[in-house]
Amino acid sequence: AQTVTQSQPEMSVQEAETVTLSCTYDTSENNYYLFWYKQPPSRQMILVIRQEAYKQQNATENRFSVNFQKAAKSFSLKISDSQLGDTAMYFCAFMKLYIQGAQKLVFGQGTRLTINP
Amino acid sequence: EADIYQTPRYLVIGTGKKITLECSQTMGHDKMYWYQQDPGMELHLIHYSYGVNSTEKGDLSSESTVSRIRTEHFPLTLESARPSHTSQYLCASRGTSSPQYFGPGTRLTVL
Repeated sequence: AQTVTQSQPEMSVQEAETVTLSCTYDTSENNYYLFWYKQPPSRQMILVIRQEAYKQQNATENRFSVNFQKAAKSFSLKISDSQLGDTAMYFCAFMKLYIQGAQKLVFGQGTRLTINP
Repeated sequence: EADIYQTPRYLVIGTGKKITLECSQTMGHDKMYWYQQDPGMELHLIHYSYGVNSTEKGDLSSESTVSRIRTEHFPLTLESARPSHTSQYLCASRGTSSPQYFGPGTRLTVL
């Protein structure tokens, strides 16, 4: 079974700083997807960024980028120029690549990130 | 980005009542999911569906039931609500080559 571990329950930085959230996972699969979701106080889950395991290039979405280390099974999220609106719970998630099937997500425990003014 | 709708957004109800949480998506996604989440905690999958007339239990045991009669609709029902059912319920869907997109959630409180 796959597991996802986020070792930082809480983090806090000043506005405009850069912050990195850690995520490690355990799997015997070779093909899979990794995701970072954000859950602000409104509690809606919002997709931040995704990475296909077969791609060596790290995914980037504006101020958000990942450091994907497949051999180390590590998938960290870097937020540059952090903004107050980035305050949220951040969940790392894993999904096996199936040709058929429901392709369930496995979530980490979450990291509560606070951006201070 | 998928359009996924959940109603009601908030529900406070007494013990023993039957409730149905609605989830609809307009993207034609064949796969749909229900998660249960306590505040500040991780998500737990309670039900999922591959498509019409397909439903499966998730990783967390739940007394709720689901149905999938139409592609766009995946309601969750509790026959007799109890205080232990108090939680947030999140619905999600995905297409063949898309990630899971989530609805806004329903916060359920059972008194």
